[in-house]
Amino acid sequence: DIQMTQSPSSLSASVGDRVIVTCRASQSVRTNLNWYQQRPGKAPKLLISAATSLQNGVPSRFSGGASGTDFTLTITSLQPEDFATYYCQQSFSTPYTFGQGTKLEIK
Amino acid sequence: EVQLLESGGNWVQPGGSLRLSCAASGFAFNGYAMTWIRQAPGKGLEWVSSIGDTSSFTYYADSVRGRFTISRDNSKNTLYLHMNSLRAEDTATYYCVKSGWHDTGMADYWGQGTLVTVFS
Repeated sequence: DIQMTQSPSSLSASVGDRVIVTCRASQSVRTNLNWYQQRPGKAPKLLISAATSLQNGVPSRFSGGASGTDFTLTITSLQPEDFATYYCQQSFSTPYTFGQGTKLEIK
Repeated sequence: EVQLLESGGNWVQPGGSLRLSCAASGFAFNGYAMTWIRQAPGKGLEWVSSIGDTSSFTYYADSVRGRFTISRDNSKNTLYLHMNSLRAEDTATYYCVKSGWHDTGMADYWGQGTLVTVFS
């Protein structure tokens, strides 16, 4: 199975900050890497697919990056609604594994 | 607008069975693979199972293989998850998910989830 390792597991930041969440795959997943946002009590929402492709309706302050087996989710100018938990997921091969999540909290 | 509405979650004793359903609308159901993903209380996301658009393939996580069966009825735009021999560790919210175009593992739309509790 492909292991997905996210860091950090939690992060405190302020409105207006720029944050970066990283995700490392244990082997190549090509660009089959997706990012999801989950607000408390809600279903997850797809933000970015194929490592860098922003979904329709997702604000442009979100962006994805890729370098080999390392992936990043960058949020510029944090807004109050961005405080949530973020998950990466590889969709290259089954089982389609998720990272353990990064909880973004207000400082 | 894509809508996915799960039902069937309930409390069940260990060793019991449940069938989850997911009614889909707002897209060409018979043109997309579908997936179940679960989340134990306070925990992260776990992919459970996926099925092809014409049921030509089914995939399962090792943790459920042999106990769970995914199926679909394209005439009813409905996805199912038949769960047998349930264990305490199957307790979770189960999400019905629409897979992406040419990317079975990518979950581009999610239902609101249905809670399964396995407890004696």
